[in-house]
Amino acid sequence: GAGVSQSPSNKVTEKGKDVELRCDPISGHTALYWYRQRLGQGLEFLIYFQGNSAPDKSGLPSDRFSAERTGESVSTLTIQRTQQEDSAVYLCASSLEHVSGANVLTFGAGSRLTVL
Amino acid sequence: AQSVTQPDIHITVSEGASLELRCNYSYGATPYLFWYVQSPGQGLQLLLKYFSGDTLVQGIKGFEAEFKRSQSSFNLRKPSVHWSDAAEYFCAVVAAGGGNKLTFGTGTQLKVEL
Repeated sequence: GAGVSQSPSNKVTEKGKDVELRCDPISGHTALYWYRQRLGQGLEFLIYFQGNSAPDKSGLPSDRFSAERTGESVSTLTIQRTQQEDSAVYLCASSLEHVSGANVLTFGAGSRLTVL
Repeated sequence: AQSVTQPDIHITVSEGASLELRCNYSYGATPYLFWYVQSPGQGLQLLLKYFSGDTLVQGIKGFEAEFKRSQSSFNLRKPSVHWSDAAEYFCAVVAAGGGNKLTFGTGTQLKVEL
């Protein structure tokens, strides 16, 4: 597609429920990144994919968080047993490949998650 | 570990006034540096980036930034602010060889008074 598409744009859920957030990167972009932005804070790196493998998942906050990617396409970030501290905007970005600075990230508009 | 500091959480300027947003980084080697802007409901948009070479970098929308190695700074500037520049601005850094795993500052919220 023309840009990075994320869905849902807004999600309100109850504590303890599972949520899935979807990211559709730019066609042809092999690298895909998930970031989290909590209110009043900068973006925190969660995980990145090169193709469908995840060489760096060091930013995932707990084992309740997982992500997968199908081929060089859609990625899903899953949060199990959501907690109130998971409330944040989850941003996805993609780039042609994971090469230092050479390929600029293109970000989606984000999925705003509110856990009640 | 690398880090980015944006000391100003909020800045208010009058339309037509000049703007400078501060960014300091902590890293042992010369990193790659970026400024992104985030408007409400929008994704982050790249304003400009510094990899090497000329330390004064021109970006989109009339923005520029200057890399000062001695001060570990990469401040963003604009000579004359427009009301549409009201947004949140993020400075980011990535280590050379660190792929695209950016470390972001906490952002500066810019308000423009008409």
